[in-house]
Amino acid sequence: NAGVTQTPKFRILKIGQSMTLQCAQDMNHNYMYWYRQDPGMGLKLIYYSVGAGITDKGEVPNGYNVSRSTTEDFPLRLELAAPSQTSVYFCASSPTRIPYEQYFGPGTRLTVT
Amino acid sequence: AQSVTQPDIHITVSEGASLELRCNYSYGATPYLFWYVQSPGQGLQLLLKYFSGDTLVQGIKGFEAEFKRSQSSFNLRKPSVHWSDAAEYFCAVGDGAQKLVFGQGTRLTINP
Repeated sequence: NAGVTQTPKFRILKIGQSMTLQCAQDMNHNYMYWYRQDPGMGLKLIYYSVGAGITDKGEVPNGYNVSRSTTEDFPLRLELAAPSQTSVYFCASSPTRIPYEQYFGPGTRLTVT
Repeated sequence: AQSVTQPDIHITVSEGASLELRCNYSYGATPYLFWYVQSPGQGLQLLLKYFSGDTLVQGIKGFEAEFKRSQSSFNLRKPSVHWSDAAEYFCAVGDGAQKLVFGQGTRLTINP
């Protein structure tokens, strides 16, 4: 049972490039989430999904897109990368029962220069 | 809207000393409350959770937290810290649906 996995661990992008951050979970959780973590700012929710085919915006969705074609996978797409997207990105999943505690992946550190 | 305040950005304690990290939340109903720990370069690990029942909750690594409704608090405690407890600690509250709202975190440094 690998839990939540994320790839890549590190990535450097040039301004204007695009990339997809991969996230997968093997716990059969319906709920999945993407966060970004900036120093001293805690975690901000980018997008979340309550099941395959269903996604919704979080607090900071601009510049990102997601899709959820399977229960296991929840990729995050960055189009036209900007320096403001330099951050650490975490994927999480939670079961469909209270209190919906979330389980986190190891993170992807992204630098846009 | 729900919110979480962790008043202490950085705390330093000596190894073997007791620890209390503060967390205050804002939520209209009975909250779902969580503490997570993040070691350097790692993801967040769930320490403990509260959603009903006994207001004193035991977690992993010897941590406990107490839910005090009258004070809107969910403080994290440990009787004796170890050098390996140095990390960042996040308090979070459920929004009544499937999302969590996180505090800004408290960085814990342990003096030898």
